[in-house]
Formats: sequence, C-alpha cells, structure tokens
Amino acid sequence: EAQVTQNPRYLITVTGKKLTVTCSQNMNHEYMSWYRQDPGLGLRQIYYSMNVEVTDKGDVPEGYKVSRKEKRNFPLILESPSPNQTSLYFCASSLSRTRSHEQFFGPGTRLTVL
Amino acid sequence: TQLLEQSPQFLSIQEGENLTVYCNSSSVFSSLQWYRQEPGEGPVLLVTVVTGGEVKKLKRLTFQFGDARKDSSLHITAAQPGDTGLYLCAGITQGGSEKLVFGKGTKLTVNP
Repeated sequence: EAQVTQNPRYLITVTGKKLTVTCSQNMNHEYMSWYRQDPGLGLRQIYYSMNVEVTDKGDVPEGYKVSRKEKRNFPLILESPSPNQTSLYFCASSLSRTRSHEQFFGPGTRLTVL
Repeated sequence: TQLLEQSPQFLSIQEGENLTVYCNSSSVFSSLQWYRQEPGEGPVLLVTVVTGGEVKKLKRLTFQFGDARKDSSLHITAAQPGDTGLYLCAGITQGGSEKLVFGKGTKLTVNP
C-alpha cells in the first residue's frame, strides 16, 4: 500500500530534550516536506527536500533541522524543543514539487512540549 | 500576509443542505488543489484544477477555478454527515520558484 508513515504519532516531552520524528514513504517520491498545523494558522511548511541530500527552509524553519540521506526517509529533528513547538506535525511527499502533483500526507504527529 | 484566504472559517449545516466554500487570493496560481482532512488524519487530495474557468465534479462536489486563476470555490450539494471535515485549498504559485501555499481551511460540520 502506497503510504507515508510517521513515528511517533503522539509525543509528550520537556523543554530542551532533543527529539526526532521519523517520516518514511514507499512511493519513490523525490519531494518531501514537513508541515506544522496550528489552530487559526493552518498548515505551514517547515522544511522541504527536492531530492537526496537537497534540503531547504520553508516558511517556519527556526528550531528545526532535517536530513535526507535516503530517498524514502526525511526525519525532523528538534535539537532543543520549546513549548511554542507544541503542534500537530505532518510529513508529506510527492512526485516532484512542481505543478499539480498530489501531496501525500502522513497521519500526523501530535507533539506537546512542557 | 495570508496568500490564500478561505471563507467561511467554520460552517455548520443540516444534512441535505447545499454549501459553498471560497478560496480567494490577489495572486495568480498555476494550479489549485482542494484537500479534505478528517480528525486524526492527514489531508487527502480531492481535486486539482489547472485551467482558468475549469469546473470539475466529484459526485456531489463541484470545484471551480476562477477565470483569472486567482480564486476557487467548492460547492457541495445535499451535504451528508460523511462530508464533515476540514477543507483546505492549496495553490501552486507561478514563477521561477514554485511553491505550494495552503489556506487556513474551512471546518465543515454536517449534522444528521
């Protein structure tokens, strides 16, 4: 089954404790991205990757890191989480960034930083 | 500045009613997508419209892309409780650095 998987689905942590949210897709997609979704603010892009070893900042990259060592995986790293990073996070992939290619979203990771 | 404005933000209607959701911008988009997101899940693509003036139908859902490719609408006929969800429009900007930008969404509740 074609899908994007994220782990964990739920995470409660404390300020400053490094964490990684994993994302994997099995569709051989080149383009992957991370979004956060907050009430009243909608979906905002954090980082994206056009292909292996190619990553770039989205609209809200501060406090986040990513890596793309393999085509299928695109982990999101929070080196020192803060309460304002409490949010619902989505990983997405598509054939490419351009034109009308469908974005396939993962099921989301709900992160709470105390 | 929000590139894509969706309205209304919330909509609660009775089963069987019709409704329209709007997605507006002052920018021109090369194409526009509509997604539906259900609680606890990620958004799922409903449709992509590419040509100005284009109309696409998906059962009881009708999508229209404005002639100038700056706006779009989603019309649902005879809404059902299964239509409940968050509807998101997303536009692909024109120019050298294409970007997908999302509206804030319309939360639709259809009551039985």
